Amino acid sequence: EPEVTQTPSHQVTQMGQEVILRCVPISNHLYFYWYRQILGQKVEFLVSFYNNEISEKSEIFDDQFSVERPDGSNFTLKIRSTKLEDSAMYFCASREAGTRYEQYFGPGTRLTVT
Amino acid sequence: DQQVKQNSPSLSVQEGRISILNCDYTNSMFDYFLWYKKYPAEGPTFLISISSIKDKNEDGRFTVFLNKSAKHLSLHIVPSQPGDSAVYFCAANSDQTGANNLFFGTGTRLTVIP
Repeated sequence: EPEVTQTPSHQVTQMGQEVILRCVPISNHLYFYWYRQILGQKVEFLVSFYNNEISEKSEIFDDQFSVERPDGSNFTLKIRSTKLEDSAMYFCASREAGTRYEQYFGPGTRLTVT
Repeated sequence: DQQVKQNSPSLSVQEGRISILNCDYTNSMFDYFLWYKKYPAEGPTFLISISSIKDKNEDGRFTVFLNKSAKHLSLHIVPSQPGDSAVYFCAANSDQTGANNLFFGTGTRLTVIP
């Protein structure tokens, strides 16, 4: 069964460093998302991406964040200068066109900022 | 902004009995609701959904009920099995409030006791 994959599973970085989280969405999906979950809190939407551009973003997704689909398979989230409060699980999700809102999630990347 | 609320952080049920997980929402624009299940170290897995034009949707042991006037939905699992032990997230969306992102509740940890 096709699945969303994410790498790395765990990333430890120092405050102020740049990190790139990688995702490979399901191959026939056209909509891509990043969510995050701070420990003990709810899953929060960060950004959605369609047709090679951001379609929607939350207030969390500030200038420190960017997304890119550098090739036909990868979808990346970059945090330019990490802060302690960026420590969270980051989930990538994707869905196919015409399937309303049934997003399929990857296993997540745990980001720890020290 | 807690547009989707799950007021019970945890629930314990005996194997074979019914599990009922509840969810409330405040945004009357929401018209599509989903339940996701999450195991530790994995991403959320889509379980079942319901459109606001329905008040019930059933899939095997899982049934979701929607009460639009009360802005309340519930997930029933019958019979409950030990493998159902996980965190269950309620999520909602609407074409009116942003066609792409999901609003999640904080989750309910279900423990099914053998």
